[in-house]
Parts: sequence; C-alpha cells; structure tokens
Amino acid sequence: ETGVTQTPRHLVMGMTNKKSLKCEQHLGHNAMYWYKQSAKKPLELMFVYNFKEQTENNSVPSRFSPECPNSSHLFLHLHTLQPEDSALYLCASSQDLRGPYEQYFGPGTRLTVT
Amino acid sequence: AQSVTQPDIHITVSEGASLELRCNYSYGATPYLFWYVQSPGQGLQLLLKYFSGDTLVQGIKGFEAEFKRSQSSFNLRKPSVHWSDAAEYFCAVGYRTASKLTFGTGTRLQVTL
Repeated sequence: ETGVTQTPRHLVMGMTNKKSLKCEQHLGHNAMYWYKQSAKKPLELMFVYNFKEQTENNSVPSRFSPECPNSSHLFLHLHTLQPEDSALYLCASSQDLRGPYEQYFGPGTRLTVT
Repeated sequence: AQSVTQPDIHITVSEGASLELRCNYSYGATPYLFWYVQSPGQGLQLLLKYFSGDTLVQGIKGFEAEFKRSQSSFNLRKPSVHWSDAAEYFCAVGYRTASKLTFGTGTRLQVTL
C-alpha cells in the first residue's frame, strides 16, 4: 500500500448505528486530518492531529469522535448521526505542522445516513 | 482571515484547447498556494504548489500556475487539455503551518471531444 488509504470506501448507516472510518498513511508523516466534503460547500476541516495529539477541533458535534493511536492511523467514530452528516469524509496527512507542508489525501469514505 | 475564491463554478473546453482556471486569495502576508485535482469518487491529488521563488511553477500532468502578488491570484493553466483532465479543481491557500489550509469551492472542468 502506498499513500493514504481509507476504509470503507462506502458506508450506509442508520441514525442509531455506530460505525468507524479508518485512515492509514504510508508516508511517514506525523500530522493527520479529517475533512468533510459536502456538495456545493468548501472543504471543511474537522480535526487535526500532530504526533498523535489532537491540535484542532473545529466545533465538530460530539457525535463525531476521532482517535489517533499512532502517527500512521486515524479513526473517526460515528454514532447517532443525522441525515445532514451524509458527505464524503476525507483523510489527509502532512509531514507535520511546523511548516506549510502540502497535504496528501486519501480517496475518501462516502457516507450516507438514512 | 484568509479566503480563496474560484469564480468559475463550471468550465467547458474542447479537447486540445488551452485552459485557465482562476483563483484569487485574500491574505495579508505571502501565502502558500496549492492546486489540487479531484476525479469522481477520488480524493484530492496535489497538482502543484508555490511557497517562494519563481512565480511560475510547473506541476504534474502538464499543468502550470503563476503567482501574481499584485492581483492576489494563482491561476492554473494548461496549453492543451486532454479528455482525462475532466475533474474538479481546487485552489488552496495556507500560511505558517500545514493545518492552516483554506480551500476554494472548486471549478468543475468538462472536456468535450
């Protein structure tokens, strides 16, 4: 595997389900990100982790719970979601946060909440 | 706060024609600028970046972009478009650290044969 991988690629869940999204980067990076991409809206940064520590939470509802067990893996735990949470969830990584490093993106998980 | 504007939501060009996608930013200091491309069902792929130095930067897939400080612009160009270039293109501006990245709303490129 190379780059940034995400699983699953597609997920359909009911409003009362609990599910998790997984992201893995094979680039040796130390910073990881979760973004939400909805139609006709700019990319929304949700969370940032640097060396496993959360550095940003952009007012994301508590029904989204991130976890970063090490610099290579990032999870997004989902519970009691709303239909408006349906979107493409993108994971990204960068060298770290010390400089304006470019971010590398995974293919995303297309989430549909029914 | 920094912001990015991509004034063209949708552009259609013929295969073989030249392409220019516009990007304007609002930020007081020298920004770090990026262009990403997203094909359907895929994540964002970095096309090119500008941090400093030569204001004309070359990227992958034959793309280039020019930073014009006086116009606060970072337009993306390609001399001859291929049908496989059909995708959505995002301009992004950052500063200081990698996490401070603001994306535009994207320009969808359609290529006719």
